[in-house]
This record gives sequence, structure tokens and C-alpha cells, in this order.
Amino acid sequence: QMQLQESGPGLVKPSGTLSLTCAVSGGSISTSDWWSWVRQPPGKGLEWIGQIYHSGYTNLNPSLENRVTISVDKSKNQFSLKLNSVTAADTGVYYCARREYQVHMGEWFDPWGQGTLVIVSS
Amino acid sequence: DIQMTQSPSSLSASVGDRVTITCRSSQTISIYLNWYQQKPGKAPKVLVKAASSLQSGVPSRFSGSGSGTDFNLTISSLQHEDFATYYCQQGYDMPQTFGQGTKVEIK
Repeated sequence: QMQLQESGPGLVKPSGTLSLTCAVSGGSISTSDWWSWVRQPPGKGLEWIGQIYHSGYTNLNPSLENRVTISVDKSKNQFSLKLNSVTAADTGVYYCARREYQVHMGEWFDPWGQGTLVIVSS
Repeated sequence: DIQMTQSPSSLSASVGDRVTITCRSSQTISIYLNWYQQKPGKAPKVLVKAASSLQSGVPSRFSGSGSGTDFNLTISSLQHEDFATYYCQQGYDMPQTFGQGTKVEIK
């Protein structure tokens, strides 16, 4: 059973860089799936940040793409998120998830990591 | 971006009630609509894929319907463990976008 686990600092200073890693276990990151980041501000809804393929190719949300970098480390079976120039508006729970795809059914996120809370504050 | 609008934003219901949540997309998305359940402090969990395909392990009291721009998630007989927030998500075009959520509370 595949599991994902986020890790990284829970507190980031304004104007700094948020850095998170998602470790994948129970399966290889080098499959036909994409690997995504989704975030959720406190008490609010879900926002897709971006995704990466094991080749390193990425798709990013245009609303964040000038601040986001997503990378993959196949040797460690993990992928990472960097978000720079953070503000209080970037505070929230950050989830990693596998993006599954099937022909004629589209794509969805499953499984998800448990999420990690990142607070942007001085 | 494709905008996803859920209604209602919240609802109160009793155990045993039939509950329907609606999701509307700002443009046609065929059947590429997924539903998630999120409980407090937990990650979302996919319930329904491609508008009506129940994810393995999800109870049969959950069902999804719709195509084009209008979709429904129905819980045929609400159980205690179903009190949660539900989100729709379109998987038709990038960026993938979610509805704002529907919180199902105990009456």
C-alpha cells in the first residue's frame, strides 16, 4: 500500500523560502503517475500547486508558478516543493499526493500524505 | 481556470437522511469530476472518480452522477462517520481546481 509523508520546517519567515519534501513508500516514484502538491489555508478550501513526473517535467499553477519549484529525487523516491518570497497568505497545510490517471476517467489525487502545517511568521 | 461552485456551503442533517451536494463547473468538463471527503485534521480522501465511479472501499451509500457542467454527490442514508466536508475537483484541464467545500453537520 503506497504511503506519502511530508516533512519540512513548520515555521518560515516572511520573504523566506518554504521547503518541503514528500517521501513515497510502498511503491516507486518512477511510474506513469504524476506527483502533486496541494495546499489548504486554515479553515479554507484546497488549492493545487503543481505536479512533477519522474523525468523532472513539471506543471505548475499559473497563480504560483513564478514562486514555485518542484523537483524529484528518484534515488530517494521522493519529491520536493520550494515556494519563495512567502507571505502570511502562504500559511496553511501542505499536502503531497499522487495524481492518478486513467483513459476515459480523467485524473484524481490518491493517496494523500497526512499534511504538514506551515506557518509564515516572523 | 475552470471555476467549481458547490452548493450548499453547509447543511445540517440527521443520521439516516438522504443528502445531496451539487457541484457546477464554469465550463463543460465531460465526466472528469471527482468527489473527496475530508474530516477535521485529516487529508482528503477520494470517494468518487469520473463523476460516478465509486472508489474501491467506499460504502455503497455514496453515489455520484452528472456530466457536462452539473454534478451531484448523494449519500443515501447518512451515517455518523459521514459528517465531514466534501469537495468536488475537476480533472479535465489544468490547473486542477476544487470547489469551496460543503460541510455536512449533525442536526
